[in-house]
Parts: sequence; structure tokens; C-alpha cells
Amino acid sequence: NAGVTQTPKFRILKIGQSMTLQCAQDMNHNYMYWYRQDPGMGLKLIYYSVGAGITDKGEVPNGYNVSRSTTEDFPLRLELAAPSQTSVYFCASSYQGSGGYTFGSGTRLTVV
Amino acid sequence: DAKTTQPPSMDCAEGRAANLPCNHSTISGNEYVYWYRQIHSQGPQYIIHGLKNNETNEMASLIITEDRKSSTLILPHATLRDTAVYYCIVRGNSGGSNYKLTFGKGTLLTVNP
Repeated sequence: NAGVTQTPKFRILKIGQSMTLQCAQDMNHNYMYWYRQDPGMGLKLIYYSVGAGITDKGEVPNGYNVSRSTTEDFPLRLELAAPSQTSVYFCASSYQGSGGYTFGSGTRLTVV
Repeated sequence: DAKTTQPPSMDCAEGRAANLPCNHSTISGNEYVYWYRQIHSQGPQYIIHGLKNNETNEMASLIITEDRKSSTLILPHATLRDTAVYYCIVRGNSGGSNYKLTFGKGTLLTVNP
């Protein structure tokens, strides 16, 4: 039981490049979330999903896109990377609307 | 969701109890109190949650005041590995848009040898 797996762990992007942050969970959780965390700050919700085919915006969705084609996977897409997107990205999942989230280990992204 | 107030930092001696306070004076009747912690560079980890009764698990105890306007997370015998940022979060019941967790800046607990 791996929990929530995020790949890659680290990535450096050039301004204007695109990439997809991968997130997969094997706990059959239907709710999944993407957060970003800037240095010294709390986590901010980017997007979330309550099930396959259903996604919604969180607090800071601009510059990101998501899709949820399966229960297990919830990739986060950055289309035109900007320095302001330099951050640590965390994916999480929960069963139904439970507040007991399981988080992944994060992806550290630097945009230069 | 109700807002929470936590001290930015606290120190604790190894082996002693760590008592982390949280104020949530605007909490409503159906909102739960959740505690998470984040060890440096790792993803947050769920610790415990409660509605109005005190709760205990293998990691910690949660004491909620009778008026529910504040709570205290207790780590009974803190170790160096408990050094982390601790987040107190108030969240409504599942359903609607109330199931999302909103993280503040939390309390940095430093356990000293």
C-alpha cells in the first residue's frame, strides 16, 4: 500500500515551458486535492476533485489545469511556467469528505 | 470555515509534554477541529480531530474547551522527531464545499535535547 505517490520529486523548468505533475493513490479514495506551498507559508488549494470526471477550482487555480479520468490519478498541468509558480506542490486524497487527508511527499518545482 | 489563531513558535524539552494551543472563537456547531503536522520538507500528516469531546490516539490528545472556542493538542512525551509545524484547522462536515482543509501558518514546535 503506497498511499499517495507524486512524481517527479524535483524539477527545474524554464519560463514558458510546460509540464505535468503526476499524482496517484492506491487507497480507493474518491476525493483528491492539489496544494502548493511557498516558503514559510501554509498550503494553498489549487484544484480538487470529488470523483472521476469531476474537478473544481480552489483558492489559486490560475496557471494550472487538472483532469481526473480515473479514481487513482489526478495530474496537475502547468502550461506556461512562470517564476511565480516556483513552489512545492503537494497532492492529497481522502475518503469521501473525510478531513483525514493522506498527503504525498511533494514535488519541488523551480521555474527559472 | 472558522479561522484559527496559533502562536508562531513554541519550544519544548525532550521527554516533556508539548501543549499546543489554538483559538477558534468563531467555530460553529457542526465544525470539527483537525490537527496536522508537517515535518520539514515532507507532506502534512494527519494527527487527530474532534468535535466537542476530548480525543486521544497513539500520537496525541486533543482537549477542546466546553464552549469550543479553543483547543489544545498535547504530545505527552515529545521527542526530537516531533519538531515540526503544527496546523490547527477548523472544518465543516462533509458535503457542499465544506470538506476542504484550509491551512494557516501553524505553530513551529522545536523540541530541544
